[in-house]
Amino acid sequence: AQRVTQPEKLLSVFKGAPVELKCNYSYSGSPELFWYVQYSRQRLQLLLRHISRESIKGFTADLNKGETSFHLKKPFAQEEDSAMYYCALSRDAGNMLTFGGGTRLMVKP
Amino acid sequence: NAGVMQNPRHLVRRRGQEARLRCSPMKGHSHVYWYRQLPEEGLKFMVYLQKENIIDESGMPKERFSAEFPKEGPSILRIQQVVRGDSAAYFCASSPRHQGNTEAFFGQGTRLTVV
Repeated sequence: AQRVTQPEKLLSVFKGAPVELKCNYSYSGSPELFWYVQYSRQRLQLLLRHISRESIKGFTADLNKGETSFHLKKPFAQEEDSAMYYCALSRDAGNMLTFGGGTRLMVKP
Repeated sequence: NAGVMQNPRHLVRRRGQEARLRCSPMKGHSHVYWYRQLPEEGLKFMVYLQKENIIDESGMPKERFSAEFPKEGPSILRIQQVVRGDSAAYFCASSPRHQGNTEAFFGQGTRLTVV
């Protein structure tokens, strides 16, 4: 069975500081990994997916199969980045997702 | 396109009553996914439906829970004889297809409280 772990429930940084939200997964096959974000009072929305290998709002994430990790990084945090972030895994490249428990990012001024 | 619409947003039921949660997918989307989020936890997959068919219900509790997605109308998640442990946020997502670099769009969720 697949599993996604986000070890930090809360991450608090100052504006302009680097951010890394950790995500580790366990799955015996070749998963597809995603990061979803939920801003205050808004819907959960896709931030990025590993196969796209793109940077969204300054965020990047690299799939490390050796360490089974998919950490989300941004070099300089902004206050508007404050939100809940969920790492998710798909075992069939479809939309049946296994989510991690989420990390609340707070960016302080 | 108004996005995925879920109603009601909040639902209070007494133990033993039935709860019906509705999800209207985005226009043109024929794939619907239901997730449950218990307090302080992440979203857990429940069921995947494609018009009139249940494709995967591996995350559905064996008893009291059922889901449908009729040819016309919204998808319904039905919980019979609710118990306190059913209190959670229930999210629905829809997509135009299941695979192939396609994004699932989420609704705002229904928060069920069982008293």
